[in-house]
Amino acid sequence: RKEVEQDPGPFNVPEGATVAFNCTYSNSASQSFFWYRQDCRKEPKLLMSVYSSGNEDGRFTAQLNRASQYISLLIRDSKLSDSATYLCVAINDYKLSFGAGTTVTVRA
Amino acid sequence: EAGVAQSPRYKIIEKRQSVAFWCNPISGHATLYWYQQILGQGPKLLIQFQNNGVVDDSQLPKDRFSAERLKGVDSTLKIQPAKLEDSAVYLCASRGQGEIVAFFGQGTRLTVV
Repeated sequence: RKEVEQDPGPFNVPEGATVAFNCTYSNSASQSFFWYRQDCRKEPKLLMSVYSSGNEDGRFTAQLNRASQYISLLIRDSKLSDSATYLCVAINDYKLSFGAGTTVTVRA
Repeated sequence: EAGVAQSPRYKIIEKRQSVAFWCNPISGHATLYWYQQILGQGPKLLIQFQNNGVVDDSQLPKDRFSAERLKGVDSTLKIQPAKLEDSAVYLCASRGQGEIVAFFGQGTRLTVV
């Protein structure tokens, strides 16, 4: 079983829509969680951290559910520039384990 | 602040040839990672260094892959001999002491033909 699993999508949404997707992790000892964004043919870049209490960064909301071992990301008021692959990351002992990514395409 | 530097950006080699990639982490970052990202997949950890010591190389195919970070700064990743399935982007990342977030270089895109 993979350490981190994501729905690959793609999620095709119109501009202005809300899109949400989850990621599950298998290692209950994982200490920290992040969402990275990866544009086509580019390197992953940190989008935001994920906290148990939930956290927002502008139009992005991340949530962690330790009991069910899943992480979510919600994007409100989608922009064309949000089109990317979103990688879920679980960290244990400073080892970063990545999901395969969820592809989001925002259309005009 | 300069980011993680990698070279070359692109490399095309024939199978059974050798290839080496170079990474220069962010200045002062003690932890360095090499990841392999095959098209359509997430990055897979190959090796993790803490200064010049190996922390985790459990997923490194040691019969053909090797990596070193002799002075605890730059690192090289070598593949010898390459196979078709090694075609991927090789990403280097670094992390500062006490920090959790890792920063990635632009990667080296390897095509084995």
